[in-house]
Amino acid sequence: ETGVTQTPRHLVMGMTNKKSLKCEQHLGHNAMYWYKQSAKKPLELMFVYSLEERVENNSVPSRFSPECPNSSHLFLHLHTLQPEDSALYLCASSQEAYRRGEQYFGPGTRLTVT
Amino acid sequence: AQSVTQPDIHITVSEGASLELRCNYSYGATPYLFWYVQSPGQGLQLLLKYFSGDTLVQGIKGFEAEFKRSQSSFNLRKPSVHWSDAAEYFCAVGGFTGTASKLTFGTGTRLQVTL
Repeated sequence: ETGVTQTPRHLVMGMTNKKSLKCEQHLGHNAMYWYKQSAKKPLELMFVYSLEERVENNSVPSRFSPECPNSSHLFLHLHTLQPEDSALYLCASSQEAYRRGEQYFGPGTRLTVT
Repeated sequence: AQSVTQPDIHITVSEGASLELRCNYSYGATPYLFWYVQSPGQGLQLLLKYFSGDTLVQGIKGFEAEFKRSQSSFNLRKPSVHWSDAAEYFCAVGGFTGTASKLTFGTGTRLQVTL
């Protein structure tokens, strides 16, 4: 595997389900990000992890719970979601030492909440 | 606070025609600027970046962008568009949050290419 991978690519879940999104980066980076992309809305930064510590949480509802067990893996745990949470969830990574914000993105998980 | 404006929501060009996508930014210091491209249902791919130095930067797929500090602009150009260039294009400016960097994105420009 190369670059940034995300699983699953598509997910349909009911409002009472619990599921997790997984992101893995194979670039040796030390920062990881979750974004939400909804139709007709700008990209929304949700969470930022640097050196496995969360450094930003942009007023995201508690039904979204991130986890970064090491610098290569990032999870987004989902529970009791709402239909408006249906979106494309993108993961990205960067190397903070010298890349100056240059981020590499995964293909995304298309989430549909029914 | 930093911000990015992409004034064109949707642009249509003919295959073989030239392309320019506009981007204006607001940032207090020397900006780090990026263009990304997104095909339907896919993630974002980095096209090119500007950190410092030469104000005309070359990217992948034949794209280039020019940084103009006086106009706070970083417009993306391509001399001859191919049908496969149809996608959404995002301009972004780099900043910082705590010990990590962050990107602020524009709202995107959707490019349609007619044959």
